Amino acid sequence: KAGVTQTPRYLIKTRGQQVTLSCSPISGHRSVSWYQQTPGQGLQFLFEYFSETQRNKGNFPGRFSGRQFSNSRSEMNVSTLELGDSALYLCASSLVGYGNTIYFGEGSWLTVV
Amino acid sequence: SQQGEEDPQALSIQEGENATMNCSYKTSINNLQWYRQNSGRGLVHLILIRSNEREKHSGRLRVTLDTSKKSSSLLITASRAADTASYFCATDEETSGSRLTFGEGTQLTVNP
Repeated sequence: KAGVTQTPRYLIKTRGQQVTLSCSPISGHRSVSWYQQTPGQGLQFLFEYFSETQRNKGNFPGRFSGRQFSNSRSEMNVSTLELGDSALYLCASSLVGYGNTIYFGEGSWLTVV
Repeated sequence: SQQGEEDPQALSIQEGENATMNCSYKTSINNLQWYRQNSGRGLVHLILIRSNEREKHSGRLRVTLDTSKKSSSLLITASRAADTASYFCATDEETSGSRLTFGEGTQLTVNP
């Protein structure tokens, strides 16, 4: 069974631009969540989607958004990029989320210059 | 904010030795999961322990959970150089669904 797949793995963007990151969960998994990892703040929860609906949201500004498609694939978008958005963005999937093992992808490294 | 605190922040041992990492958390939890992260890579799931369990084993890994003390420990026995990585505990709180709250991690270095 293929794991959680994230694309792109690396990208460089300029301040003010926007970026879209993609995530394909493990087959059969319906819950997809996103995390941001930085040296200063560690691993922080962004949001979780289940059956195309946002079920949970972390404390991030509205510039961070996401969506989930009917095949459970998910995208997250960051608009008006700031230097502080440079981070490793991790996608995670699980069967139904609550109480399940949560599996992570390799992440997307975003550098904002 | 980080729910958990891991102790120690860094640990350096020799191959063959055991490594113990501790994690503390603040609220009631449903499950606690341990992950490994190699530099610049994603998180690899190691083990999940439920709040009604006290101990779990998986290969060379042993995890304990003490809900009365709100703490967990991860023991890696007979460590190998390949175990060099950062280790994180993550909790999901009873009311937060799949939202994981991570500790700050322990950087383990196993010297050959």
